[in-house]
Amino acid sequence: EAQVTQNPRYLITVTGKKLTVTCSQNMNHEYMSWYRQDPGLGLRQIYYSMNVEVTDKGDVPEGYKVSRKEKRNFPLILESPSPNQTSLYFCASSPPGANYGYTFGSGTRLTVV
Amino acid sequence: AQSVTQLDSQVPVFEEAPVELRCNYSSSVSVYLFWYVQYPNQGLQLLLKYLSGSTLVKGINGFEAEFNKSQTSFHLRKPSVHISDTAEYFCAFTGGFKTIFGAGTRLFVKA
Repeated sequence: EAQVTQNPRYLITVTGKKLTVTCSQNMNHEYMSWYRQDPGLGLRQIYYSMNVEVTDKGDVPEGYKVSRKEKRNFPLILESPSPNQTSLYFCASSPPGANYGYTFGSGTRLTVV
Repeated sequence: AQSVTQLDSQVPVFEEAPVELRCNYSSSVSVYLFWYVQYPNQGLQLLLKYLSGSTLVKGINGFEAEFNKSQTSFHLRKPSVHISDTAEYFCAFTGGFKTIFGAGTRLFVKA
């Protein structure tokens, strides 16, 4: 089944404790992206990747890091999480080109206390 | 600046009634337009998209949307909703390499 898999689904952590949210897709998509979803704000892009070793900042990159060492994986790293990073995070992928639309993962609900 | 405005944050409607969810966009470049649906505790899934050609596009689950270039709108419609359509709906556009999402509209379908 074609899918984007995120782990974990739920995570509660403490301020300053480094964490990684994994994202993997099995569709051989070149493009991958991370979004955060907050009430009333919709989805805001954190980082995106056009292909292996090619990443760029989205609209809200502060406090996040990403890497794209393999085509299928695009982990999101929070080096020192803070409470304002409490949010619902989604990974998405698509073939190259703007006309395909995304396939989304099921989301990771992160709480930073 | 590029933006997407969903004009209603919540839309309550009775089962079997028609519904329209409104979306306006602002962009200086040509765009592709999308509607996504998010059911509770799930990720977003693509409902339909407009790329070019006919301005009326049909999607899954009986939804359709009409692109109006002069009004820069892309409203989503369904002639008769079901309880199972209760979800959050997001309008989005892609211009260049960037996809911008609206804030979402919560559709509540009541029995």
